[in-house]
This record gives sequence, structure tokens and C-alpha cells, in this order.
Amino acid sequence: AQSVAQPEDQVNVAEGNPLTVKCTYSVSGNPYLFWYVQYPNRGLQFLLKYITGDNLVKGSYGFEAEFNKSQTSFHLKKPSALVSDSALYFCAVRDMDNTDKLIFGTGTRLQVFP
Amino acid sequence: NAGVTQTPKFQVLKTGQSMTLQCAQDMNHEYMSWYRQDPGMGLRLIHYSVGAGITDQGEVPNGYNVSRSTTEDFPLRLLSAAPSQTSVYFCASSYSAGTGEETQYFGPGTRLLVL
Repeated sequence: AQSVAQPEDQVNVAEGNPLTVKCTYSVSGNPYLFWYVQYPNRGLQFLLKYITGDNLVKGSYGFEAEFNKSQTSFHLKKPSALVSDSALYFCAVRDMDNTDKLIFGTGTRLQVFP
Repeated sequence: NAGVTQTPKFQVLKTGQSMTLQCAQDMNHEYMSWYRQDPGMGLRLIHYSVGAGITDQGEVPNGYNVSRSTTEDFPLRLLSAAPSQTSVYFCASSYSAGTGEETQYFGPGTRLLVL
């Protein structure tokens, strides 16, 4: 069965420090991977996706993610965190048995402290 | 473009009542879907549609009905509300499902409380 895991419920980081939000996946075949962000009382906003090609994917708001096939990971990163980055982050993977479906992780809350 | 819109933003129901959550998109997207978001469980797919007249069940379809009579609208009906349906509901759309590469765009959500 296809799945995605976000092992950390919350990540705390000081403003200006680099941040990493972890995601691992389990799919058959080559994965299609997505990151979304949810600000308080808002819907999900698309950040970036990996379909094929360069393992380092750049997205919105200065975020990037690194696809690592050997470790089955797709960690979200940013070189310098902002307080405004504080939000709930979701990793998702396309169900390759039924590409109509997107499978979401449980989410990681990022808290950036001034 | 307004994108994906949802109404109402917040609703309180009593157990056994029925209601319809509205979702509309103005991007001519073929694919539309409904998710529910619960703490610690992420987003779970309720129902989805790959085009007008076509719907299918997702991960947690029980207690919900959908229909897709137009490309723009994809309403979600709760037949007889239960406290277990207290959740935040999100509608999403994409140009198509197709190869799986497409990005989904989400509405602002409907917060539902069932007493």
C-alpha cells in the first residue's frame, strides 16, 4: 500500500536558522511527491512537487525539497527560517495504483521563534 | 479567478440533520475532490470526481454523498449528521487527474460541528 509518513508532529526553530521538515514515503514505482502549507484558518497552499529530474526541487517562499530515492525521503528545507513560516506542513504522495488519489501525511507543525 | 470557493465557512448541526457543503471552481478543472481534516490524521479523501457525471469513493465515504452535474460545482451532502463528522472539510480541484503530476488547489475550508 502507498503511504507517506511525517515523523515529527512539531519542529521548533529559531528565526534565521535553517529548517528541515521530514517526510518519508512508500510507493510502488517512481513517486510523485508534493508539499503543501496550511496557515491558521486557511486552506492548503501548494509549495512544490517532485515528478522527475533534478533531485533538488525549488518552490514558493524560498522553500526547497530534496528527493532521495535510496532513503525514500523528500525532506522540506529552507536556509533561513522566518517567523511567518510558522504553519502546518503536509507531505503528500500520488497513489500510483490510482493516480486520481493523493495520499497525505499527518502534518508537521513548524514553529519559528523570534 | 476566484479559484476554489466553499460555503459555508462554519456550520453547527444537530445529530440527524442533513446539509450540503458547497464547492465551486472557476478554473475549468476536470478533477474535484473532498477531504476531511482531523487532528493527527492529516487529510483523508472522502469522494472525488474526474469529470461531470463521474464520481467515485475515496478513503472515508460513509455518511456522505456527492454528485457532479456541472464542471464547476461539486457539492458534498451529509445525509444524517453524526458527531463523528465534526471536522474541517476541504474541497480541491486540479486540471485533471490523468498522469498524477497535476497540482491540486484547495478551497478555504468549511468547519463543521455536529452536536
